[in-house]
Amino acid sequence: DAGVIQSPRHEVTEMGQEVTLRCKPISGHDYLFWYRQTMMRGLELLIYFNNNVPIDDSGMPEDRFSAKMPNASFSTLKIQPSEPRDSAVYFCASSLLRGYTFGSGTRLTVV
Amino acid sequence: AQKITQTQPGMFVQEKEAVTLDCTYDTSDPSYGLFWYKQPSSGEMIFLIYQGSYDQQNATEGRYSLNFQKARKSANLVISASQLGDSAMYFCAMREENNAGNMLTFGGGTRLMVKP
Repeated sequence: DAGVIQSPRHEVTEMGQEVTLRCKPISGHDYLFWYRQTMMRGLELLIYFNNNVPIDDSGMPEDRFSAKMPNASFSTLKIQPSEPRDSAVYFCASSLLRGYTFGSGTRLTVV
Repeated sequence: AQKITQTQPGMFVQEKEAVTLDCTYDTSDPSYGLFWYKQPSSGEMIFLIYQGSYDQQNATEGRYSLNFQKARKSANLVISASQLGDSAMYFCAMREENNAGNMLTFGGGTRLMVKP
């Protein structure tokens, strides 16, 4: 199994631009999570899905952030418009029962 | 209140010695799981070990063991015979099986540095 695949690995964008992060979970996993990691706030859960349905998006910082999971094999996290404070590493993870597997993360820099 | 607390921001250990990384947790859910992850400088999150709240024995995985003290709500990670490759950030995490869906809540992490 290829594991959880995230793209891009690195993204540098200008303030105000739209950014889309992508995630392909492990086949058969029924949960998908988006986490954000910063020095100040550590690892924060942004949103998670169960069987493609958003369950809890209370961690999404503001309306500029949105996430979708149109099918079991793909999810996106979109930031529009992006701001410098959105700079962070964004992790996608998928889960089945008690096992959680993280992707390699996307390092986002907003200048 | 913090659900997962890791009180050691950074620690040094001599190569080949054992080291304990502290983790305390807070939950009213009788059914929960505790996880430890390693994050090396390359950034990926590597699963190390899992302990369920109803597990009778402390979990072990190779050089990793979990010192689970349920009454004290602590789940410390013990790494035996430290190696230079163990230098990394270590995160403790919890899943509350009844109260919080299937999400993991993470502590702030401990940076471990292994000295040669």
